[in-house]
Amino acid sequence: KAGVTQTPRYLIKTRGQQVTLSCSPISGHRSVSWYQQTPGQGLQFLFEYFSETQRNKGNFPGRFSGRQFSNSRSEMNVSTLELGDSALYLCASSLLWTANNEQFFGPGTRLTVL
Amino acid sequence: DAKTTQPNSMESNEEEPVHLPCNHSTISGTDYIHWYRQLPSQGPEYVIHGLTSNVNNRMASLAIAEDRKSSTLILHRATLRDAAVYYCILRESGTASKLTFGTGTRLQVTL
Repeated sequence: KAGVTQTPRYLIKTRGQQVTLSCSPISGHRSVSWYQQTPGQGLQFLFEYFSETQRNKGNFPGRFSGRQFSNSRSEMNVSTLELGDSALYLCASSLLWTANNEQFFGPGTRLTVL
Repeated sequence: DAKTTQPNSMESNEEEPVHLPCNHSTISGTDYIHWYRQLPSQGPEYVIHGLTSNVNNRMASLAIAEDRKSSTLILHRATLRDAAVYYCILRESGTASKLTFGTGTRLQVTL
């Protein structure tokens, strides 16, 4: 079974631009979560989607948004990029939207904002 | 979110067992205890999880204290490939299933 895939793997943008990252979950998984990882803040939860609905949201500004499609694929968008948005963005999928399930992480998209 | 406390780092010799502790004194009765690890340059990887009873899988064992205020991840025979940051995470049962990562324990394995 194929794992979680994320595209692109690397991205360089400049301040003020916007970016869209894509995540394809494991086949059959309906829950997709997004995390940001930086050296200073560690791994932080962004948001989670299940059946095309946002179920949970972390403490990030409105510039960070996401969506999930009917095939469970998910995208996250960051508008008006800031230098501090440089990070590894990780996507995770799970079969169900419950605490008694493991999450499977993708390799991440490394975003650099210049 | 209930908080977990882990040592910043631990060392182990290859082929020896490793016990990684985690304190979670404010755990609620319905919180699941999850362990993930992150190898260098990779996304986190699920290791094991449990609620009240000890759990075993092909990767590790999870020993949960009777009062659930602490738990221990046990790697039975550490290998160099087990060198990673290990995260102990509490997940609320019900609707809030997000993972709240702390700083974790960096495990170093030496020959």
